[in-house]
Amino acid sequence: ETGVTQSPTHLIKTRGQQVTLRCSSQSGHNTVSWYQQALGQGPQFIFQYYREEENGRGNFPPRFSGLQFPNYSSELNVNALELDDSALYLCASSRPPAYEQYFGPGTRLTVT
Amino acid sequence: AQSVAQPEDQVNVAEGNPLTVKCTYSVSGNPYLFWYVQYPNRGLQFLLKYITGDNLVKGSYGFEAEFNKSQTSFHLKKPSALVSDSALYFCAVRFLYGGSQGNLIFGKGTKLSVKP
Repeated sequence: ETGVTQSPTHLIKTRGQQVTLRCSSQSGHNTVSWYQQALGQGPQFIFQYYREEENGRGNFPPRFSGLQFPNYSSELNVNALELDDSALYLCASSRPPAYEQYFGPGTRLTVT
Repeated sequence: AQSVAQPEDQVNVAEGNPLTVKCTYSVSGNPYLFWYVQYPNRGLQFLLKYITGDNLVKGSYGFEAEFNKSQTSFHLKKPSALVSDSALYFCAVRFLYGGSQGNLIFGKGTKLSVKP
């Protein structure tokens, strides 16, 4: 098991609501990335935070936003939830220049 | 555009037999390649990576992968499969440029089923 933790484990929201997901990075890791994994698909990169700044973003709309805190933990916020936002959200931490990322167990979001 | 393909949705192997899970990639320049495994209701676990050097890379749990530049492939292998190897396997390549630089592009995944 990695040292990356995520909360909550599962979440059910209604279309149009807002949600916040949380991630604690592995000890010593200062970079956090978020991925969305739809059912039957590989993870897709949402964005990355390094030193509390967003320093990379995938093809996701602005209603997906995030934060990183001084202890390197991170939040993913999604506004105006849509049915297609239902997915497993994965957080991964790393410490450059190492290339591998270590993933948490994920948060399963269901939007009804 | 950078991409990763895993041509097999599922691979079935008998326990004790060798296994191969295929991956091909398309990138400009030198690729950074990774394999991850996902067990049910769990996150992804890092298995191994190729950055540079020997084409045969050894990783966790007895897995290895062979980088073939001419065939743009990075197949995952294990000499003797275990029932506990049954899981979903993802190949990934690292973004080398653009706004997503440093992050991973994943294939769709291959479900490995090892029968006793």
